Amino acid sequence: DTAVSQTPKYLVTQMGNDKSIKCEQNLGHDTMYWYKQDSKKFLKIMFSYNNKELIINETVPNRFSPKSPDKAHLNLHINSLELGDSAVYFCASSLQGGGGTQYFGPGTRLLVL
Amino acid sequence: DQQVKQNSPSLSVQEGRISILNCDYTNSMFDYFLWYKKYPAEGPTFLISISSIKDKNEDGRFTVFLNKSAKHLSLHIVPSQPGDSAVYFCAASEITSGTYKYIFGTGTRLKVLA
Repeated sequence: DTAVSQTPKYLVTQMGNDKSIKCEQNLGHDTMYWYKQDSKKFLKIMFSYNNKELIINETVPNRFSPKSPDKAHLNLHINSLELGDSAVYFCASSLQGGGGTQYFGPGTRLLVL
Repeated sequence: DQQVKQNSPSLSVQEGRISILNCDYTNSMFDYFLWYKKYPAEGPTFLISISSIKDKNEDGRFTVFLNKSAKHLSLHIVPSQPGDSAVYFCAASEITSGTYKYIFGTGTRLKVLA
């Protein structure tokens, strides 16, 4: 029974296209995140949502738009894809509170050609 | 500006010996520190954490030590097992806008040799 799931797992697309990545968690957590792991393996936070409300937006280009239809879902839509968007994108969730452990999805490997 | 640093990209250790993974940070406002383990093609999984008010936390074979004056933490794995071979990420959390924000290091790849 998967805790945090992401679809698709792999995404290969052309520059200029628009694509979406979906994330769902069944842990009852109230906070969800998107991270980007680039070619240097640096895992960097992009967005955080708490109870469907955007809390953290880390200077990400506005081509990236997260959407949280409910507490269990946080989707990431990317417009006008660029070569530099190629990376692994991880969704995560956690409970609020001190040292809240994050549970990560398996990642979506995006390759922009 | 990288607030959490793991200066060793890789480490090899013999099975049964101790593995020591290190992490340095710059922000004294971090209140929790966490270690995650990541296998290829999977997301990171939580391993162990420590509050900034403590200096040691132990869970089975895993112990995390925190030295606040040096802004340094380390993860000790003893005895090391081949299944421990993975990438280990150090992370630190701080409260931003009422929610926790996590900052990750770049990871250390641990290889435990049988």
